[in-house]
Amino acid sequence: SQQGEEDPQALSIQEGENATMNCSYKTSINNLQWYRQNSGRGLVHLILIRSNEREKHSGRLRVTLDTSKKSSSLLITASRAADTASYFCATDGNYQLIWGAGTKLIIKP
Amino acid sequence: GAGVSQSPSNKVTEKGKDVELRCDPISGHTALYWYRQSLGQGLEFLIYFQGNSAPDKSGLPSDRFSAERTGGSVSTLTIQRTQQEDSAVYLCASSLGLAGKTQYFGPGTRLLVL
Repeated sequence: SQQGEEDPQALSIQEGENATMNCSYKTSINNLQWYRQNSGRGLVHLILIRSNEREKHSGRLRVTLDTSKKSSSLLITASRAADTASYFCATDGNYQLIWGAGTKLIIKP
Repeated sequence: GAGVSQSPSNKVTEKGKDVELRCDPISGHTALYWYRQSLGQGLEFLIYFQGNSAPDKSGLPSDRFSAERTGGSVSTLTIQRTQQEDSAVYLCASSLGLAGKTQYFGPGTRLLVL
């Protein structure tokens, strides 16, 4: 079953703008991960944030985690055409990751 | 080092035929996962292998689906008597096997059942 739910389902912005995607989950976690998927192929790991962390940065990516609200956000700053992809959050289950349905991000030139 | 590889990249088959999909995980990764992804949808967990333990088959949608992992490395996902609704991208991922660890994905096999 899918625990994470991304919001919005789809997002279209102009190149150079910032993109924010949200993920909500239901049960307590040890960590939360964000992945990117281009063109319906394999996913690429972007960033992992642990439950005792509130914010993490990686290049143009900023992830926040609010365990009290069971939610996380992924911010991509200064978006580029190459950021066009689907973005998934995943939380740790017993031995596997539990995936959200994804946010489809389109960067318009 | 080499990432996760999958073959074939694309497979077109006729309804009722059997197909075999292959996954070669990253060397040393003890955990291997199979997922299915229909167009525009999220990941649907199919099966999980961890070391020599019995696999978790709880995600397999029907008894037409089976998977094995030989020697703790290469895995094959077999779909018997394929149906049109089996058309999807089948993704394989591997990880170090500890709960919550990063998963490394292969490029997927795009299956089309006519």
